[in-house]
Amino acid sequence: AQKVTQAQTEISVVEKEDVTLDCVYETRDTTYYLFWYKQPPSGELVFLIRRNSFDEQNEISGRYSWNFQKSTSSFNFTITASQVVDSAVYFCALSGIRSGGTSYGKLTFGQGTILTVHP
Amino acid sequence: NAGVTQTPKFQVLKTGQSMTLQCAQDMNHEYMSWYRQDPGMGLRLIHYSVGAGITDQGEVPNGYNVSRSTTEDFPLRLLSAAPSQTSVYFCASSRGGTYNEQFFGPGTRLTVL
Repeated sequence: AQKVTQAQTEISVVEKEDVTLDCVYETRDTTYYLFWYKQPPSGELVFLIRRNSFDEQNEISGRYSWNFQKSTSSFNFTITASQVVDSAVYFCALSGIRSGGTSYGKLTFGQGTILTVHP
Repeated sequence: NAGVTQTPKFQVLKTGQSMTLQCAQDMNHEYMSWYRQDPGMGLRLIHYSVGAGITDQGEVPNGYNVSRSTTEDFPLRLLSAAPSQTSVYFCASSRGGTYNEQFFGPGTRLTVL
């Protein structure tokens, strides 16, 4: 069974602060994908990043960065110099990969972290 | 491309009524799935399909039926609605193979009285 835990239910910061959202996962699959999605107040789900389990390089995209550590089963997300528009619910998710490399086509989500950025 | 579309956007049902939530995608994706979102619980998988004619249960399948007669459509049927099914429902699709970013529809907000 797979499990994704986002222990931070809610985070509140003031604009321009850096904020890190934690994600810890459990899986028996030897290879898998990890994802982050953003859900703004409008309700849609916005894809942010996908990471393969065999690629532990950290990634930076503008103000966003991701720290993947297989040894601790964590895939944390940092927003640098937060802005009010970053206020949203953020979800971490996991998808296993079958032997042969194809995906299962389904995701296991964490509970989500509500981020509020105050002006 | 319209992407993933869902209808209706909002629905109110009485306990015991049945209905179908519609989901369609125009990206020729093999995989489609249904999730429900409840406060504090993230999104949970209800049913999914890896191709036309093939469906399987997810984490919370009870009270829901699906079928996949075409690649494009994946309707979700509530057989006899219960207040516990009050939720926001999301449909998603993705290509098969190793590239599996899921594209989500806008969601259907369902209230069962």
